Amino acid sequence: DTGVSQDPRHKITKRGQNVTFRCDPISEHNRLYWYRQTLGQGPEFLTYFQNEAQLEKSRLLSDRFSAERPKGSFSTLEIQRTEQGDSAMYLCASSLATGSYGYTFGSGTRLTVV
Amino acid sequence: AQSVTQLDSHVSVSEGTPVLLRCNYSSSYSPSLFWYVQHPNKGLQLLLKYTSAATLVKGINGFEAEFKKSETSFHLTKPSAHMSDAAEYFCVVSTRGGADGLTFGKGTHLIIQP
Repeated sequence: DTGVSQDPRHKITKRGQNVTFRCDPISEHNRLYWYRQTLGQGPEFLTYFQNEAQLEKSRLLSDRFSAERPKGSFSTLEIQRTEQGDSAMYLCASSLATGSYGYTFGSGTRLTVV
Repeated sequence: AQSVTQLDSHVSVSEGTPVLLRCNYSSSYSPSLFWYVQHPNKGLQLLLKYTSAATLVKGINGFEAEFKKSETSFHLTKPSAHMSDAAEYFCVVSTRGGADGLTFGKGTHLIIQP
């Protein structure tokens, strides 16, 4: 297993377009988390899944943000009608159930909205 | 609720001298605490974690941290800094088995002087 994979690494989009990012977690990890990191800040929690169930989504930044994990494996994060303020690094992490062994992060998708 | 305060935004030390990065936390539940390192244009790497076992935690690359409940602190130390330690360091708290996500501090930029 090569860790947590995120695709694409970079995305440039025009304001108003929709974008979708993919995350493939470590295969035996049943929890998957999404974070956003802006320049000079620590990552900010957005949402998480346990298997296919989205257990926390109140921290998604607006109703333009949504995430899915349809079969409990990979996950997608979609941003509709992108705005310049959405420009950031979007990070995915996975863990075993309670995270007591730590959380493994992917390298992230850097979004630039022009 | 949970929060993290990293007391220094920048720390500069000379190569071969000790490193101290300070972190205080707040949580309504028994916390798990982590330190992550982020090198430029690289992903987040777990340095060490505290999850209610031994209060002195040893991590990778010679780093260690001590959980002090009475002081609500989890400071990161290393006896002798190396040039390769230059990076951004994040103190992180998690409670309720990760159900509230990870809360990151704002980061401490560690500079190593030759």
